[in-house]
Amino acid sequence: RKEVEQDPGPFNVPEGATVAFNCTYSNSASQSFFWYRQDCRKEPKLLMSVYSSGNEDGRFTAQLNRASQYISLLIRDSKLSDSATYLCVARQNNNDMRFGAGTRLTVKP
Amino acid sequence: GAVVSQHPSWVICKSGTSVKIECRSLDFQATTMFWYRQFPKQSLMLMATSNEGSKATYEQGVEKDKFLINHASLTLSTLTVTSAHPEDSSFYICSAGGGASEQYFGPGTRLTVT
Repeated sequence: RKEVEQDPGPFNVPEGATVAFNCTYSNSASQSFFWYRQDCRKEPKLLMSVYSSGNEDGRFTAQLNRASQYISLLIRDSKLSDSATYLCVARQNNNDMRFGAGTRLTVKP
Repeated sequence: GAVVSQHPSWVICKSGTSVKIECRSLDFQATTMFWYRQFPKQSLMLMATSNEGSKATYEQGVEKDKFLINHASLTLSTLTVTSAHPEDSSFYICSAGGGASEQYFGPGTRLTVT
């Protein structure tokens, strides 16, 4: 079983749609969690950290459920520029980051 | 924000040759850097943790004699793929940072072994 699992998608949605990605992690010792965005043939870039209380950054909302070892990302009012692969990340300690395989999103006009 | 660079950005080499990839932290010192490999449509897989002034720590299944890592200064780590084979063709990405802060990724190096 992979340490971090995501629905690979692809998710194809129209502009303006709301889309949700889910992620589960297997290591209960994971301490911090992130969503990264990766464009084709580029390096990952931090989208947002994920906190147990839930956090929002503009159109993006992240949730963490430690009991279920579940992480989510909600994107509202999708833009064409949101098209990318979204990577779920669980970090066990300060150094050890485990990546999900990513969920591919395509936003269409 | 912090910047991490990699060189080269892409390289094509013949089977059996060695390729060196550099990872530099441009505006901060990094005692620890990380090397990842990503095959098409797959996740980033941590290969090794590079520690300044000491030996790298390799993940299980990664051959340390094939993937040589040198972290000789606080701003530079190098990954040398020795005796490269076509199955080593991949996207190699380094990162630096850590602690409570985010990891900053280099732009990646696309290696094609023919």
